Amino acid sequence: DGGITQSPKYLFRKEGQNVTLSCEQNLNHDAMYWYRQDPGQGLRLIYYSQIVNDFQKGDIAEGYSVSREKKESFPLTVTSAQKNPTAFYLCASSRLWGGSYEQYFGPGTRLTVT
Amino acid sequence: AQTVTQSQPEMSVQEAETVTLSCTYDTSESDYYLFWYKQPPSRQMILVIRQEAYKQQNATENRFSVNFQKAAKSFSLKISDSQLGDAAMYFCAYRSAGDMRFGAGTRLTVKP
Repeated sequence: DGGITQSPKYLFRKEGQNVTLSCEQNLNHDAMYWYRQDPGQGLRLIYYSQIVNDFQKGDIAEGYSVSREKKESFPLTVTSAQKNPTAFYLCASSRLWGGSYEQYFGPGTRLTVT
Repeated sequence: AQTVTQSQPEMSVQEAETVTLSCTYDTSESDYYLFWYKQPPSRQMILVIRQEAYKQQNATENRFSVNFQKAAKSFSLKISDSQLGDAAMYFCAYRSAGDMRFGAGTRLTVKP
């Protein structure tokens, strides 16, 4: 089955530690995205990538970093510089050409930092 | 920058009735796409329906349909014969050549 996987579903970390969230897709999509969702709010874009080894900052990139070494993978690192890291994180992917460009989402990772 | 506004934080509908969720957007582009996503309690984002701006015909997917008013920059979602499983957060989204923009969401409650 084609889709997007995120792991783990729940993640707990102590304040001051970096943590990496995994995102893998087998849809052969060129573009991948990371969003943050806080309670009762919409999705805010953290980073996105349209091609391997290239990525762009979204609206709330401070305190986060990403890499895109493979087309299928787009891990997100939440660094200790992120002031309020506790949130729900969603990864998505989409085509860039020949379609309506809807984004397909993974199941999300709930990160709790104490 | 493009913005998407959902003016109804919460809506409620009786089972089997019809409900309409509102969405407006701001853009200077002529070619773009609009989407409605559903996020049930599992928090998995599910695409409900899409609309291409160049198409005048409103999109329909079973019980879900849209009213796309390009000049008014309005894109409402109508859910007919509402079911308990329709209870969720609904997000309106806009996409042109760049990234996708989401509204703040409308929480839909379905009463039995």
